Amino acid sequence: GENVGLHLPTLSVQEGDNSIINCAYSNSASDYFIWYKQESGKGPQFIIDIRSNMDKRQGQRVTVLLNKTVKHLSLQIAATQPGDSAVYFCADDMRFGAGTRLTVKP
Amino acid sequence: EAQVTQNPRYLITVTGKKLTVTCSQNMNHEYMSWYRQDPGLGLRQIYYSMNVEVTDKGDVPEGYKVSRKEKRNFPLILESPSPNQTSLYFCASSTPGTGFTEAFFGQGTRLTVV
Repeated sequence: GENVGLHLPTLSVQEGDNSIINCAYSNSASDYFIWYKQESGKGPQFIIDIRSNMDKRQGQRVTVLLNKTVKHLSLQIAATQPGDSAVYFCADDMRFGAGTRLTVKP
Repeated sequence: EAQVTQNPRYLITVTGKKLTVTCSQNMNHEYMSWYRQDPGLGLRQIYYSMNVEVTDKGDVPEGYKVSRKEKRNFPLILESPSPNQTSLYFCASSTPGTGFTEAFFGQGTRLTVV
């Protein structure tokens, strides 16, 4: 069965706004999560990861938050740009959620 | 350049005609995996391999075979393809340790079975 799942299949935001993509997982023993971005016609690419001993990790314009109490993680993208339009997946031990398609409106 | 290479990128075939999709990685990764991607279903794991000669079923293995005779190659075999195997396929490699490191994906193979 599915270890990770996303809350919304699609998300549309205005350019410049912040985006939040959510993901829930079921395995309490999971200790490592990765967010991937998949652009049209390409394979998924690594964005950012987080280990279970952390609750927040920041990259360039992206932040991942992990809430182990409710088994939830989120990907926040600051100042969303048209180039951020893609499908985003969370993954736990090489098991993937269904993905959220982010569309950025100019 | 670190990469995962799949071939072919596009394939149209007929029901029952055996086919193989190749996957090769140049990063000396122990772990390799095949996924199929269908609208609304995300990436579903077909088979994976923890190392040479070690393969295991994923979530949707029916109708597929794999082999791992060498570390760098992990071909996906459809002995008798059917239309419900029409999909977008991805190969990935990674290094398992205490937890998986980031996975590298191939560019995908779009398969159509008529």
